Amino acid sequence: GAVVSQHPSWVICKSGTSVKIECRSLDFQATTMFWYRQFPKQSLMLMATSNEGSKATYEQGVEKDKFLINHASLTLSTLTVTSAHPEDSSFYICSANREDRNSPLHFGNGTRLTVT
Amino acid sequence: GENVEQHPSTLSVQEGDSAVIKCTYSDSASNYFPWYKQELGKRPQLIIDIRSNVGEKKDQRIAVTLNKTAKHFSLHITETQPEDSAVYFCAASPPYNQGGKLIFGQGTELSVKP
Repeated sequence: GAVVSQHPSWVICKSGTSVKIECRSLDFQATTMFWYRQFPKQSLMLMATSNEGSKATYEQGVEKDKFLINHASLTLSTLTVTSAHPEDSSFYICSANREDRNSPLHFGNGTRLTVT
Repeated sequence: GENVEQHPSTLSVQEGDSAVIKCTYSDSASNYFPWYKQELGKRPQLIIDIRSNVGEKKDQRIAVTLNKTAKHFSLHITETQPEDSAVYFCAASPPYNQGGKLIFGQGTELSVKP
């Protein structure tokens, strides 16, 4: 069964509004979670590393003020897309793995964001 | 940073044939190489992975080989079936991460024709 839960699975919002996406590890604690973005027919691109209790680490080219990440507990990370624009429309996927470094990465189901 | 190149971008095979997808990576210190299968609109599913201390790993019809010297790794699917049709991604994990930071290849769209 799923070990990483992501919500919502899809969302449609108007340009200029903000959208929050939640990522939960269901039966393990994750001090670190990862947020990826995937445009149609493209690969997964790492956006940022979410660190419990501290600031997220953003990849080059990702605007930290636009993509707000909060990792307030060991089982929950949120990604907020602020002032969304149509070009932000994409598939956002979170991931986490257990503290055992040899465990595989588990992905959430993803969130399809459409900005109109 | 790490860069992963994947080829081919599309691959069409007849049912029962073998399929091979190849990836190269740039950071010689990367130590973990998973392969994911992604169906349309769904999350990537791990199908097999290999660590840098192993040269080959097999799981039924799927195998992965790793050549650390050349910095490339390959996915081999034998006796392909129509349900193998999907997009496949290779990935590499830099050594300085927490085990979850992956750099993905561009993906290969595999089509298995019955």
